[in-house]
Amino acid sequence: GAGVSQSPRYKVAKRGQDVALRCDPISGHVSLFWYQQALGQGPEFLTYFQNEAQLDKSGLPSDRFFAERPEGSVSTLKIQRTQQEDSAVYLCASSSGQGNYNSPLHFGNGTRLTVT
Amino acid sequence: AQSVTQLDSQVPVFEEAPVELRCNYSSSVSVYLFWYVQYPNQGLQLLLKYLSGSTLVKGINGFEAEFNKSQTSFHLRKPSVHISDTAEYFCAVSRTNAGKSTFGDGTTLTVKP
Repeated sequence: GAGVSQSPRYKVAKRGQDVALRCDPISGHVSLFWYQQALGQGPEFLTYFQNEAQLDKSGLPSDRFFAERPEGSVSTLKIQRTQQEDSAVYLCASSSGQGNYNSPLHFGNGTRLTVT
Repeated sequence: AQSVTQLDSQVPVFEEAPVELRCNYSSSVSVYLFWYVQYPNQGLQLLLKYLSGSTLVKGINGFEAEFNKSQTSFHLRKPSVHISDTAEYFCAVSRTNAGKSTFGDGTTLTVKP
């Protein structure tokens, strides 16, 4: 596809369950970012990959959140033992630049996670 | 640390009227500034960005924004809006890496016929 693809589009999890959210960036894009967007708020940075290296994970809210990008392409955001406060839209974005502000970000449509 | 305040959560306007969406930021260092648009059921899309140089920045779909360093503002404007401009607009700032941006909470622009 031409854009960033995220799956699933919607995910409902019971409190305590583990979830895995997938991001397929645009082919060849070096940089990949995860954001969390709570209802009525702007996106908040979670973590950043350059190829397979996770260069910044300062935004991950707790050790229940884990992200990986083992082959420098597809990325997975995993949330263990989900809590209600984890309910949000999780956005993935990629860019061709190595974190360079001149490289525009391309966002996926997000995964809406609801924890019940 | 940096922060972004979008002063209006909702802006209703009539078609063909001008619009201004306000954004103020705070940062102790120089920043790069961005406006993104999110149409219903779609991902965020970059409208325009300010990196350096001219303080008036033109973007897609007829939007423009003016960087005002003294007022720490980056307001978005369009002289004549269309129904299709109805969307959520986000202002964002970044110190270095555009991907690691701080976003405002968004302004919902609703254009009425």
